Amino acid sequence: KNEVEQSPQNLTAQEGEFITINCSYSVGISALHWLQQHPGGGIVSLFMLSSGKKKHGRLIATINIQEKHSSLHITASHPRDSAVYICAVSGDSNYQLIWGAGTKLIIKP
Amino acid sequence: NAGVTQTPKFRVLKTGQSMTLLCAQDMNHEYMYWYRQDPGMGLRLIHYSVGEGTTAKGEVPDGYNVSRLKKQNFLLGLESAAPSQTSVYFCASRPPELTGKLFFGSGTQLSVL
Repeated sequence: KNEVEQSPQNLTAQEGEFITINCSYSVGISALHWLQQHPGGGIVSLFMLSSGKKKHGRLIATINIQEKHSSLHITASHPRDSAVYICAVSGDSNYQLIWGAGTKLIIKP
Repeated sequence: NAGVTQTPKFRVLKTGQSMTLLCAQDMNHEYMYWYRQDPGMGLRLIHYSVGEGTTAKGEVPDGYNVSRLKKQNFLLGLESAAPSQTSVYFCASRPPELTGKLFFGSGTQLSVL
């Protein structure tokens, strides 16, 4: 069983829909990261969470430390949100990161 | 305002050739990483460094060497390239504190023929 699991693996939705991507982990963590990778593109850090909730524009990330679970939400989704979204956790050592396999999101116009 | 800069962006090698990928960051970050990403797969850690003069092996270190002689630079070397090393390589850096976000370079597409 992977230490960091993301669901769903693939998600296709219509423009305007509310999107939720989930990340569950089984190890103790010091922080959780959400990143975005566009097709053929680089990787951009969206959020770094150690507790609670963060919001940036239409993106919202939440984390529940007790349940070892995080969600990334996209409100009013747009085709330009189409990308792979990756969850990663920093373990107790902090410098080591454990990566999820990513969620491929396609938003259709 | 450069962030993390990787060079080169593309490279084609013949089997057995050597090359060095350069990662430079201007944010004074302690931690630096080299990852490879293969089609349809997640990032796999090759080597990492927690400070100037220190390096450590990651998940897939075989066939690669690294050096961190200066804090801002992290070099990845392939001494004798193999087709299995065809991949996209990403460098990343972050500060050591818990609130430290990751910053990635734009990637290097390497093909070994």
